[in-house]
Amino acid sequence: NAGVTQTPKFQVLKTGQSMTLQCAQDMNHEYMSWYRQDPGMGLRLIHYSVGAGITDQGEVPNGYNVSRSTTEDFPLRLLSAAPSQTSVYFCASRIKWTGNTEAFFGQGTRLTVV
Amino acid sequence: AQRVTQPEKLLSVFKGAPVELKCNYSYSGSPELFWYVQYSRQRLQLLLRHISRESIKGFTADLNKGETSFHLKKPFAQEEDSAMYYCALIWGSNYKLTFGKGTLLTVNP
Repeated sequence: NAGVTQTPKFQVLKTGQSMTLQCAQDMNHEYMSWYRQDPGMGLRLIHYSVGAGITDQGEVPNGYNVSRSTTEDFPLRLLSAAPSQTSVYFCASRIKWTGNTEAFFGQGTRLTVV
Repeated sequence: AQRVTQPEKLLSVFKGAPVELKCNYSYSGSPELFWYVQYSRQRLQLLLRHISRESIKGFTADLNKGETSFHLKKPFAQEEDSAMYYCALIWGSNYKLTFGKGTLLTVNP
């Protein structure tokens, strides 16, 4: 099993450009989520999904869109990139959305917006 | 309101010394708490969870509901323990996983 796979690992965007960060998991996990990691801020939840077709906002959803058409994939879309979105993005999945379950993380995508 | 507080951004100890990373939480329900660790250039991974009451790599954490704390402890720190440590809480009707801001632990030789 590959676990949680994120692509790309690195990306540089110009202000105003759009892009999609890909996340895929092969563990048949119900729950998937996106976080951004910034120095001194820890990990902040952007969006999450409790199953295919169901998504909801986290703490910092502005400027990002998500969809969950399959169990395996949970892409994060930046609609119009801004320098404030420069960050490291992590995708995570959990086997079930309820209960005390371990989160498995991707290796991260380092995004720079210039 | 911040649900998970880690008061120390940085913690530096010498090899062989005891280490305690503090975590306090705010949640009126029954808390489900975790410690995650991120070693340099690696992805985040689960270190331990309160419900298991296990010891991983010599680390333990006890849930104290009275003090709303879940501090991580190790009696003798090793250099390989140097990493970023995050305390995390599952909360709410959709079981969101929320992290503290993290503590960077450095164990000096």
